[in-house]
Amino acid sequence: QSALTQPASVSGSPGQSITISCTGTSSDVGAYNHVSWFQQHPGKAPKLMIFDVSNRPSGVSNRFSGSKSGNTASLTISGLQAEDETDYYCSSYTSSSPLYVFGTGTKVTVL
Amino acid sequence: EVQLVESGGGLVKPGGSLRLSCAASGFTFSHAWMNWVRQSPGKGLEWVGRVKSKADGGTTDYTAPVKGRFTISRDDSRDTLFLQLNSLKTEDTAVYYCTPDPLKGDWGQGTLVTVSS
Repeated sequence: QSALTQPASVSGSPGQSITISCTGTSSDVGAYNHVSWFQQHPGKAPKLMIFDVSNRPSGVSNRFSGSKSGNTASLTISGLQAEDETDYYCSSYTSSSPLYVFGTGTKVTVL
Repeated sequence: EVQLVESGGGLVKPGGSLRLSCAASGFTFSHAWMNWVRQSPGKGLEWVGRVKSKADGGTTDYTAPVKGRFTISRDDSRDTLFLQLNSLKTEDTAVYYCTPDPLKGDWGQGTLVTVSS
């Protein structure tokens, strides 16, 4: 089972919207609505931003939203802010071992 | 509030062993299926393995690269999860996290394992 494919980097200006894609297969992203997105600052543990494709945990800004179409999930950050500049990972449950797969990671740069 | 505190990491030579611990609180540990996830320096995240609750059989599952070398166990009397790492390789160098659900928000701060001669 390969890692989910994410773009290595995405950039945008403050206030703009950006979208990060996460492409899997019919055995993971396409099969289940168990897709999550994590934000990770250097040296810190991943922080959950979206779970079950489009749900936001309490305390996460509504500037973050998630969606899915077929085998590809997406994270959209609206109203981009300097504090959003860091790494983002998607993850999904899978139908066979490994039971969970993670994305390759995307570095978001705020121009 | 869920708290997960990993410990036991350190520097070990290739072929060596290490035992990691994860002390849990803030939830009913004995009911939880617990996972280990690792992250190599500068790289992405990788699910390592899982142990089910004893009520659900207590069985374990592992990702292929660690099968036969790593063992996950649990002590429900101490709300503690363990990861025994044997026959360590340089590619096992990573921060190791424990979590009840890799798709949700409860993660520890991680413990660093460095495999180097």
